[in-house]
Amino acid sequence: DIQMTQSPSSLSASVGDRVTITCRASQSISSYLNWYQQKPGKAPKLLIYAASSLQSGVPSRFSGSGSGTDFTLTISSLQPEDFATYYCQQSYSTPLAFGPGTKVDIK
Amino acid sequence: QLQLQESGPGLVKPSETLSLTCTVSGGSISSSSYYWGWIRQPPGKGLEWIGSIYYSGSTYYNPSLKSRVTISVDTSKNQFSLKLSSVTAADTAVYYCARRLEGVIADWGQGTLVTVSS
Repeated sequence: DIQMTQSPSSLSASVGDRVTITCRASQSISSYLNWYQQKPGKAPKLLIYAASSLQSGVPSRFSGSGSGTDFTLTISSLQPEDFATYYCQQSYSTPLAFGPGTKVDIK
Repeated sequence: QLQLQESGPGLVKPSETLSLTCTVSGGSISSSSYYWGWIRQPPGKGLEWIGSIYYSGSTYYNPSLKSRVTISVDTSKNQFSLKLSSVTAADTAVYYCARRLEGVIADWGQGTLVTVSS
């Protein structure tokens, strides 16, 4: 099974900051990597699929990059509504697996 | 607009079977290429994929739960279901039903909390 890790596990940032979250797979997953945002009490929301493709309706301040085992989610200018937990997920093979999450809160 | 809605008991006793149903509206569960599945999230913790089913009945389960999980589909009702047997407190979680395409989960239900307690 493929294991996913994320760093950092949490971060504090201010509105307007550039934020970068890293995700690593235990083996190469090509570009089969997706990013989700989850707010308290809500279901996760797809942000990025196939490592760098922006889901329809998602603001362009979100971007993704990487391939193989190392991936990055970047928020170019953090907005108040972006304070949430972010999860990566590999879709290369079953069982599908999520990273442990990165909580972004207000500094 | 596709909508998924979980339903089922919010409280299950230890050793019993957890049963949930997901009702799909705004789209057909028989659509080709889509898989329908379940994901859970223990309180304050991360996401765990439980398994998926295709409308034809083909299933894929997480090996960590495979011995206890059954996912089934009822195309006539546009529903799919989850059964998890021999539950313990560790199975307490919010259970989400979802639709995935090639492993990407773009559509989620709102989630339902299931507590395992006597």
